[in-house]
Amino acid sequence: DAGVTQSPTHLIKTRGQQVTLRCSPKSGHDTVSWYQQALGQGPQFIFQYYEEEERQRGNFPDRFSGHQFPNYSSELNVNALLLGDSALYLCASSLVSDGYTFGSGTRLTVV
Amino acid sequence: GENVEQHPSTLSVQEGDSAVIKCTYSDSASNYFPWYKQELGKGPQLIIDIRSNVGEKKDQRIAVTLNKTAKHFSLHITETQPEDSAVYFCAASTRGSQGNLIFGKGTKLSVKP
Repeated sequence: DAGVTQSPTHLIKTRGQQVTLRCSPKSGHDTVSWYQQALGQGPQFIFQYYEEEERQRGNFPDRFSGHQFPNYSSELNVNALLLGDSALYLCASSLVSDGYTFGSGTRLTVV
Repeated sequence: GENVEQHPSTLSVQEGDSAVIKCTYSDSASNYFPWYKQELGKGPQLIIDIRSNVGEKKDQRIAVTLNKTAKHFSLHITETQPEDSAVYFCAASTRGSQGNLIFGKGTKLSVKP
């Protein structure tokens, strides 16, 4: 049974560009959350999707947006990239009776 | 909003010793407290969690205790092994296991053979 799958694993972008990260949840999970983890820090909550709608949102600007598809997979989009957006982006899926299962993340570097 | 503080930031123990990591939270409405282990190049892995209606939970060599009055919770690892070496994060949520998690800054545990 595959866990949470994220793509790509690494990405380098230039300031001002836009990026899309993808996540396939663990089989049977219907809720997807995204976290940003800066180097040496704990993950910070960006937002959560359930039934294709944003259910909760953390303290991130509107440049960060997302989407959930009918098959529960999800995308994270970041517009107008800043150097400070460089981080590990983690996707986590869950089901009401379970805690979160995290993917291995996408390492985004903005130059 | 919720704030979670974690101590120590680094911890070095000899193989076979015990390790204790402590966290405090600020929001008394928090009701779910998971602990995650993160190895290099991997995402966080849930190792144990506790809910606010329970004071202690144990799973083999790992245990978590919760003191709601003092708003702190701790991770205890007994008989440590080199493979326990990793970064450990505590987290808290006010909406149970489905809520957004507020993480501590992590503890880097090194277990020396």
